[in-house]
Amino acid sequence: KAGVTQTPRYLIKTRGQQVTLSCSPISGHRSVSWYQQTPGQGLQFLFEYFSETQRNKGNFPGRFSGRQFSNSRSEMNVSTLELGDSALYLCASSSGRNNEKLFFGSGTQLSVL
Amino acid sequence: QKEVEQNSGPLSVPEGAIASLNCTYSDRGSQSFFWYRQYSGKSPELIMSIYSNGDKEDGRFTAQLNKASQYVSLLIRDSQPSDSATYLCAVIRSQGGKLIFGQGTELSVKP
Repeated sequence: KAGVTQTPRYLIKTRGQQVTLSCSPISGHRSVSWYQQTPGQGLQFLFEYFSETQRNKGNFPGRFSGRQFSNSRSEMNVSTLELGDSALYLCASSSGRNNEKLFFGSGTQLSVL
Repeated sequence: QKEVEQNSGPLSVPEGAIASLNCTYSDRGSQSFFWYRQYSGKSPELIMSIYSNGDKEDGRFTAQLNKASQYVSLLIRDSQPSDSATYLCAVIRSQGGKLIFGQGTELSVKP
């Protein structure tokens, strides 16, 4: 069974630009969660989608948004990038029952210059 | 106060020793607790889950939960250099069901 796939693996952007990250969950998984990981803040929850609906949201500004498609694939968008958005963005999928057993992708390393 | 707190370490133990990793959480209503391991440059992977007070053993790993004290721990017996990683404690919030992670404790096992 293929794991969680995130693309792209690395991204370099400049301040003010926007970026879209993609995540394909494990086949059969209906829940996709997004996390931001930085050395200073650790893993911080961004949002979770289940069956195309946002089920949970973290404490991030509105510049961070996401969506989920009918095939459970998810995208995350960050608009008007700031230097502080530089981080590893991790996507995780689960069956969706209780967020247990999250399976993480390799992440997208975003650098904002 | 952070929702899930861990000592960041690094925690250094000699090979063969017991490594003890600790975590406290603030949501008294939380019922589900997890330990993830993250090797440098890799993604987190689930190694233990625990839902009831007491101990849960899986091979060299033992998770301990004390809901009254809002405390979760992970013991690694006979530590190996391959156990060197960051260990993340995670808790599902009672309201909303979000999985919240602690900062992680870096463990270094010296040969």
